[in-house]
Amino acid sequence: EIVLTQSPATLSLSPGERATLSCRASQSVSSYLAWYQQKPGQAPRLLIYDASNRATGVPARFSGSGSGTDFTLTISSLEPEDFAVYYCQHRSRWPLTFGGGTNVEIK
Amino acid sequence: EVQLLESGGDLAQPGGSLRLSCAASGFIFSSFGMSWVRQAPGKGLEWVSALSGGGSSTYYADSVKGRFTISRDNSKNTLYLQLNSLRTDDTAVYYCAKSFRAFGDYFAFDIWGQGTVVTVSS
Repeated sequence: EIVLTQSPATLSLSPGERATLSCRASQSVSSYLAWYQQKPGQAPRLLIYDASNRATGVPARFSGSGSGTDFTLTISSLEPEDFAVYYCQHRSRWPLTFGGGTNVEIK
Repeated sequence: EVQLLESGGDLAQPGGSLRLSCAASGFIFSSFGMSWVRQAPGKGLEWVSALSGGGSSTYYADSVKGRFTISRDNSKNTLYLQLNSLRTDDTAVYYCAKSFRAFGDYFAFDIWGQGTVVTVSS
């Protein structure tokens, strides 16, 4: 199975700062990578699909990039509601897997 | 409004069984692949199983293969997950999730249910 490794595990930032989250795959997933946001007690929310496509209703401050094995989720300027856990997930082959998550916390 | 509503979560004993349901509304259910994803307490997300729109193709994580069965009834707009031979490490919130695009293996998930809690304990 493809292992997705997210870094850092925790990112401590202030509102208005730029957040850069990394997801590395153990083998190529082409561009078949998604990003999700999850807040406590809530279901995940799709942010980005196929590496760089924003899902419906996702603000433009969220952007995704990368292909192959290295991917990045960037939040250009953190809003208070962006503090949450972020997961990556590939759909390149079976089984699907998720990364372990990055917790973006308020500094 | 596009919506998924899970039910069927409960307390079960090790070795026991449960059947989860996910009622879908607001979209053409039969056109979309569907999945189950779980989250153990305080842990990350784990994909469990997926099913194509027509129901002919099924996929499972190794951790549940041979114990869980995914199915769907497109006439009732409902997805199911039969959980057999339950183990304590199956304890989790189970989410059903809709693929983001129709008519293919587009298994990233744009709509999620609120989750149903499965607890396996003696």
